[in-house]
Amino acid sequence: AQSVTQLGSHVSVSEGALVLLRCNYSSSVPPYLFWYVQYPNQGLQLLLKYTSAATLVKGINGFEAEFKKSETSFHLTKPSAHMSDAAEYFCAVRDPRSARQLTFGSGTQLTVLP
Amino acid sequence: DVKVTQSSRYLVKRTGEKVFLECVQDMDHENMFWYRQDPGLGLRLIYFSYDVKMKEKGDIPEGYSVSREKKERFSLILESASTNQTSMYLCASSPPGLSGGAFFGQGTRLTVV
Repeated sequence: AQSVTQLGSHVSVSEGALVLLRCNYSSSVPPYLFWYVQYPNQGLQLLLKYTSAATLVKGINGFEAEFKKSETSFHLTKPSAHMSDAAEYFCAVRDPRSARQLTFGSGTQLTVLP
Repeated sequence: DVKVTQSSRYLVKRTGEKVFLECVQDMDHENMFWYRQDPGLGLRLIYFSYDVKMKEKGDIPEGYSVSREKKERFSLILESASTNQTSMYLCASSPPGLSGGAFFGQGTRLTVV
C-alpha cells in the first residue's frame, strides 16, 4: 500500500526566504506524485505533478519539486516566499497500477511572516 | 475553465437526518471522488466512482453511500447523520489517464448538531 508523510504540520518562513516543505512517500513501484495547495475556505488546486518524466518539476506560482527515488522524497521548494503563499499544502501519491485515486499526506500549514 | 461544483458551501443538519451532498463536473471526466478533510488527518477517501453506476469504497465508507446515475453528477449520502460526521467534504473528478491529477470543488462544510 502506498502512503505519504509530510514532515512538519506547521512551517513558518519570513517573506523573501526559502520555502521548503517536505514529503516522503512509500510505494512498491515508482509512483505518480502531486503537490496541492489549499487557500482558506477553498478546494484544492494542483501546484505540480511528477509522472516519471523530468525529476525536477516546475509548477505554478514559482514552486518546484524534485523527485529523489533514493530518498523516496518529493520536497516542494520556492526560492522566495510571498505573503500570498500562506496556505495549506498537501502532498499526494498515486499508484500507477491502480485506478484508485490519490492518497494524501496530512498537510503542512505554511505561514509567511512579514 | 474546468469546473467541479458542490451544491452547498455550508450545511447544518440535525443528528439522524438523511443528508445529500451533490457534486457536478463539466469536464466529462470518468472518475469522481468524495473525500473528507479533518485537521491533522489530511484528506481521506470515502468513495470513488469510475463510471456511471460504478462505485468503490475508499478508506472510510462507513456511514456513507453514494450515487452516480449520470456521468457528470456524483452524490454523497449520509443515511443517518451523526456528530462525528461534522467535517469538510470535498468532491473531485479526474480523467481516466493515471498520470492526471484531480480537480476539486470548493468543499462543503457540514455541521451535524
